[in-house]
Amino acid sequence: AQSVAQPEDQVNVAEGNPLTVKCTYSVSGNPYLFWYVQYPNRGLQFLLKYITGDNLVKGSYGFEAEFNKSQTSFHLKKPSALVSDSALYFCAVRVPRGAGSYQLTFGKGTKLSVIP
Amino acid sequence: KAGVTQTPRYLIKTRGQQVTLSCSPISGHRSVSWYQQTPGQGLQFLFEYFSETQRNKGNFPGRFSGRQFSNSRSEMNVSTLELGDSALYLCASTTGQDYTEAFFGQGTRLTVV
Repeated sequence: AQSVAQPEDQVNVAEGNPLTVKCTYSVSGNPYLFWYVQYPNRGLQFLLKYITGDNLVKGSYGFEAEFNKSQTSFHLKKPSALVSDSALYFCAVRVPRGAGSYQLTFGKGTKLSVIP
Repeated sequence: KAGVTQTPRYLIKTRGQQVTLSCSPISGHRSVSWYQQTPGQGLQFLFEYFSETQRNKGNFPGRFSGRQFSNSRSEMNVSTLELGDSALYLCASTTGQDYTEAFFGQGTRLTVV
């Protein structure tokens, strides 16, 4: 089965420090991977995706992610954390379901708290 | 261009009732997927509609159903509500071709009492 795992329920980081939110994947074939962010009582906002090509993907709000095939990881990073980055972050993988249909399978989410 | 619109934002229903949620996708997008988000189970796929046809279904009971109209708007219906149906219901809009970009609405928060 195609899946992603987020090993940390919570990550705390001081404002201005670099942040990393971890994601590992288990996929047969080439993975299509995504990061989304969710603020309280809001929907999911798309941050970035990896389809193919460069292993370092740049996304919205200064976030980037590094695709590592040998370690089956897709960690989300930002060089300098802001208090406003505090939110719930989800890693997801696209799963084919046949007949041209797909779905996203999500990790459990990681709560990021940026401390002033 | 307008984003994904879900209505209503909040609902409170009683056990045994039924509820209908609505999702209007981004203009030009032909696929709408629905997801349920709960603290215990996380985000789970419910179903996908494309060109008015259900193309894919997750592992939910038959009380959960949906439909899609010719303008791509979709509705999701839950009958005989149970306390465990309390959740944030999210819909995602895609072109329907390859799911490389899914845009989500703000969600409908359903509380069953």
